[in-house]
Amino acid sequence: LAKTTQPISMDSYEGQEVNITCSHNNIATNDYITWYQQFPSQGPRFIIQGYKTKVTNEVASLFIPADRKSSTLSLPRVSLSDTAVYYCLVGDFDNTDKLIFGTGTRLQVFP
Amino acid sequence: GAVVSQHPSWVICKSGTSVKIECRSLDFQATTMFWYRQFPKQSLMLMATSNEGSKATYEQGVEKDKFLINHASLTLSTLTVTSAHPEDSSFYICSADPTGNYGYTFGSGTRLTVV
Repeated sequence: LAKTTQPISMDSYEGQEVNITCSHNNIATNDYITWYQQFPSQGPRFIIQGYKTKVTNEVASLFIPADRKSSTLSLPRVSLSDTAVYYCLVGDFDNTDKLIFGTGTRLQVFP
Repeated sequence: GAVVSQHPSWVICKSGTSVKIECRSLDFQATTMFWYRQFPKQSLMLMATSNEGSKATYEQGVEKDKFLINHASLTLSTLTVTSAHPEDSSFYICSADPTGNYGYTFGSGTRLTVV
């Protein structure tokens, strides 16, 4: 599984757009990029997944450049409830493949 | 959507006793489930992979005799912390993939406190 590198923490204010970048230089051809969100004392929650270019859902957007060596999770107009830890994972995730979590990015949103 | 139910949410036990944590897939079958442990302010650490009908696969450094895993059916995996000690106090989380499309679902976690 490809190793990922993310900023340890980020601060933002309500209403701003937040972009969290993840580096995965050793990503393999069959690897997907997945982002999870975790609140304190809860299990992680799936946010978004992509392979290349751009993916958007009701929660976030995921931007993946052509070389796929990095990806950016974009959270539009964050609110206080978006304060959480965000994890970027990379792997060829069939349903028997294990998820290895990196350090994650602790996002703090201020009023 | 797919749900992974984990019980109990929290448990306090005395040193030397054993504690069982259950992880159930409510609306899908899971041949494989994963168990994680998370200490405060740290990331999730994978402990073991639970395989229905066969032995669990443990990550390096995880004592399989201390953390017993049983995957008795396609919807239930259990983690038993045997002879618990205060250093076993942690947040334990299970997960499974309901779709095979890489969208792993996690349980709500179990906060274990050993006193």
